[in-house]
Amino acid sequence: QVQLVQSGAEVKKPGASVMVSCKASGYTFTNYYLCWVRQAPGQGLEWMGEINPGGGATNYAHKFQGRVTMTRDTSTGTVYMELSSLRFDDTAVYYCARGGTYGDYDVWGQGTLVTVSS
Amino acid sequence: DIQMTQSPSTLSASVGDRVTITCRASQNINSWLAWYQQKPGKAPKLLIFKASNLQSGVPSRFSGSESGTDFTLTISSLQPDDFATYYCQQYNSYPYTFGQGTKLEIK
Repeated sequence: QVQLVQSGAEVKKPGASVMVSCKASGYTFTNYYLCWVRQAPGQGLEWMGEINPGGGATNYAHKFQGRVTMTRDTSTGTVYMELSSLRFDDTAVYYCARGGTYGDYDVWGQGTLVTVSS
Repeated sequence: DIQMTQSPSTLSASVGDRVTITCRASQNINSWLAWYQQKPGKAPKLLIFKASNLQSGVPSRFSGSESGTDFTLTISSLQPDDFATYYCQQYNSYPYTFGQGTKLEIK
């Protein structure tokens, strides 16, 4: 079945970088966009950006430009999200999600908790 | 950026009630709106896409409608499993943006 499986929880210090992976299975990887959405504790959903696994083109939210990099590995069907210069308020659950036929997000990963702590 | 204003932020209702959640876009989004349901500790789940289309497998008590830049999610008869937080999202133009969420609580 269609599935997105994310890497495990991370604890990082302020100023460090974190890379979260999202492995897709059950469908043609290059045919669907993948996005990253985060959710701080007790807060709402925040769109970070998305990547076209076919060609690698990306779109990032202005807030994260310069700090976020989304890449993909077509040989393994995996997308990566790297966030640098981590701050305490980057503590959140990070989700990957697949863009459906119309651009909505129809399949989600299980989420990865990133904790920024000194 | 397109702002999505969702209301109410909290809604108390009982099993069997009909409830409505509203989302207003700050500009035209050409029906490119989705609704998601999220339960504590879980990933969001797509309910409605392109404003009024029911995602496969979602119960028919959920429906979506639109009027200009106003969008509505209706649950016709609340079931115990429906108590959750609901989010709208526009995907007309980057950056895609979510509403603030509506927490649906048991009265």
